[in-house]
Amino acid sequence: TQLLEQSPQFLSIQEGENLTVYCNSSSVFSSLQWYRQEPGEGPVLLVTVVTGGEVKKLKRLTFQFGDARKDSSLHITAAQPGDTGLYLCAGAGQAGTALIFGKGTTLSVSS
Amino acid sequence: DTEVTQTPKHLVMGMTNKKSLKCEQHMGHRAMYWYKQKAKKPPELMFVYSYEKLSINESVPSRFSPECPNSSLLNLHLHALQPEDSALYLCASSQILMGYNQPQHFGDGTRLSIL
Repeated sequence: TQLLEQSPQFLSIQEGENLTVYCNSSSVFSSLQWYRQEPGEGPVLLVTVVTGGEVKKLKRLTFQFGDARKDSSLHITAAQPGDTGLYLCAGAGQAGTALIFGKGTTLSVSS
Repeated sequence: DTEVTQTPKHLVMGMTNKKSLKCEQHMGHRAMYWYKQKAKKPPELMFVYSYEKLSINESVPSRFSPECPNSSLLNLHLHALQPEDSALYLCASSQILMGYNQPQHFGDGTRLSIL
């Protein structure tokens, strides 16, 4: 069974701080997706990483896919209150199976 | 605005009631999903429809009955629910390419409360 371990589970920081969220597995994934879910809304796709070692940037967010395609990280620079939400990583596993979600990271950024 | 529309946004029902949740998408996606989500937890997959046919049922109790009338609509019929079924129910859709691993578009969910 493929599992995704996401850490930390909860993160509470001040505006302007940097943070990193990790998503790890012992299994190889063909791709990995990151979603953000704000209160009262559904998850919204932020990025998909496909190639081992790939780095993608979305404004202050930097996403990295591990060389072996078993792990990924999300780094936020100078966090803002608008970054508050639940961050989910989701891995594309074996053909015919649905996405595997990590347990999520609840981020709270206070001003 | 989300491209996946779910109605109603909120639903309160008794344990003996019958109600339905509705989901609609017009992106031409042929995979549609139902998830259950508790607060600060990830979505838990319930059902997957592929080309209007049920392809994955994650051992969901029979008091939840999904239906896919056409490629744009997905329903979830509810009957005799339990208080522990109170949660946010999310619908999602995606393209199908080598399975169900494509990025998913989520609706904003139906907040369900069972009295």
